Order: sequence, then structure tokens, then C-alpha cells
Amino acid sequence: GDSVTQMEGPVTLSEEACLTINCTYTATGYPSLFWYVQYPGEGLQLLLKATKADDKGSNKGFEATYRKETTSFHLEKGSVQVSDSAVYFCAENSGYSTLTFGKGTMLLVSP
Amino acid sequence: ETGVTQTPRHLVMGMTNKKSLKCEQHLGHNAMYWYKQSAKKPLELMFVYSLEERVENNSVPSRFSPECPNSSHLFLHLHTLQPEDSALYLCASSISGRSGKNIQYFGAGTRLSVL
Repeated sequence: GDSVTQMEGPVTLSEEACLTINCTYTATGYPSLFWYVQYPGEGLQLLLKATKADDKGSNKGFEATYRKETTSFHLEKGSVQVSDSAVYFCAENSGYSTLTFGKGTMLLVSP
Repeated sequence: ETGVTQTPRHLVMGMTNKKSLKCEQHLGHNAMYWYKQSAKKPLELMFVYSLEERVENNSVPSRFSPECPNSSHLFLHLHTLQPEDSALYLCASSISGRSGKNIQYFGAGTRLSVL
């Protein structure tokens, strides 16, 4: 079946550092791609999405570009804040409503 | 507040108990999902209810029983659980369909501990 692979965490950064969390997928065709974020004690929230090749999703300073040629959707932010500490999930949807999630990457940002 | 409400937020139960988790959405969606989130494992889709599909993950034990009486409510009935069933159970909802563009909205989850 389809799968999503994310880099292992935790990712530990100092405030204002640059962030990249890698994500690759195996689905064929043109799946929709998502990044979800889970803050401590909460459920998952949609952070950003892209539905076709070369689309760039962005929200709250985070960006990710849908790269069909490398089947990737890496999450980036130029300057992280302590409040960005959370677990980030990459997901894909290639049909119907079900999502395939990666294992999640924990981000820890220190002051 | 995402529009998806789960109760209770925390639940401790013995292996012989019977309990139910409840999920309610006020977003006008017509698809609802149960996920299991365990430490260091991918999110596991347990059940889906929608107009177009009903999915049951065949690896989910029969001690978990879903019920979806209408498009706004979803239950997960639990009985004779095992300690390894301790996890965060997440409910989500979306608009169903084949487009693949439908966003799932999640509740805050029920943290279940089985003693």
C-alpha cells in the first residue's frame, strides 16, 4: 500500500533557527499532500496543503512545495519560535477520504 | 476549537469494563473516522463511515466496535480491552468524496488507559 516517510525526530533547534522536515510519499498519480501539527494535549490540526504538482502550501510562516519529480513535500520555516514546538505529520490522500500519515516528527525549540 | 468534540478526554478502565467513546461534529460533514495513536507508531486508521465508503481496518480487534447513528455522531464501544490498547483515540470528520482534496478535522482525542 501507499506510505509516507518522514525524518526521525526529535528535531531540536534554537529559537530563530531554520527548519526543514523531510517527507516523501509512494503513491502514484497526483495525491493531495498535507502537513498536520499536533500540539501537546491536543488533536491534529491542518497546517497546510497542496493538491497539485508545484503547488506551494503556506501557513504561519511554514511552507511546503509539492515536488512530483522527487515525490516529496518537505516542510520549511525560516525562523522557528518556541511556540512551534509540536509533532508534525505529513500525509497524503490519493482517493476517497482516507489519509496515509507518516510517523510524525517531534520539533523542540528552545529559547 | 475545530468543531469536532470528543468525550471523555481521559478514561481509565479495567480489562473487564465496558465503556464508550463519543465523537460529535458540527461542521456539516458526512464522513467520520476513528484513529488510534500510540507512542512511536504511525497513526492507525481504525474505522471510516461515509456515504461512499465504510472502511474497517482488518487488524482492529473485535473488542472495538464502532457505531455511527447519523452523520454528526460517532461512537467507539470498548469491551474486554487489553493493556496494549492504551493510547490516544482520535476522531476526525470531513466531507466525503473521491477528490482527495477533502480536509480532515480532528478532535482533541480521548486518552485511554487500560489497567
